[in-house]
Amino acid sequence: KQEVTQIPAALSVPEGENLVLNCSFTDSAIYNLQWFRQDPGKGLTSLLLIQSSQREQTSGRLNASLDKSSGRSTLYIAASQPGDSATYLCAVLGSARQLTFGSGTQLTVLP
Amino acid sequence: KAGVTQTPRYLIKTRGQQVTLSCSPISGHRSVSWYQQTPGQGLQFLFEYFSETQRNKGNFPGRFSGRQFSNSRSEMNVSTLELGDSALYLCASGPPETNIQYFGAGTRLSVL
Repeated sequence: KQEVTQIPAALSVPEGENLVLNCSFTDSAIYNLQWFRQDPGKGLTSLLLIQSSQREQTSGRLNASLDKSSGRSTLYIAASQPGDSATYLCAVLGSARQLTFGSGTQLTVLP
Repeated sequence: KAGVTQTPRYLIKTRGQQVTLSCSPISGHRSVSWYQQTPGQGLQFLFEYFSETQRNKGNFPGRFSGRQFSNSRSEMNVSTLELGDSALYLCASGPPETNIQYFGAGTRLSVL
């Protein structure tokens, strides 16, 4: 059974700092890995999707990497802003065609 | 192109009642998946429908059921509601033969 773990559970940083969020998964047989953002009480906003054959994806200040063999992904956020404050979720799509989510990292960027 | 639309956005029910949630996928998407999000269990997969057939099911009791119509719209039904069913229910749709899922804003169900 696929398990996804995100570390840390919560993170508080001053504005302008670069930061890394970590995600690990137990079964490397995945189709893709996605990073989502969720604001309080809201749905999921897809940030980056990495197909299993890819190593990384970039969008603006965000960069996500995938090491399928070791079961790890990182989300790098450059020059963080207060508007980046949210919960960040990592999810993998496995052979059962269902997304398995981590429990998220709650990020607070202090002005 | 309109995104995934879920209705209603908010719902309040009492224990023992039943509820139906609706999801309209992005035009052209034939796959619809449902997820439940609670503070204690996080996001969990409920089921997936493709071309009106349930293709995959998560580990939820039989009180949770769903269906998909010929226009790919999907409904999820929960019977005999329990307090623990209070959650944000998210729907996602995906285009044919891809592994990408796009999420709706969710329906927040409160069971009193």
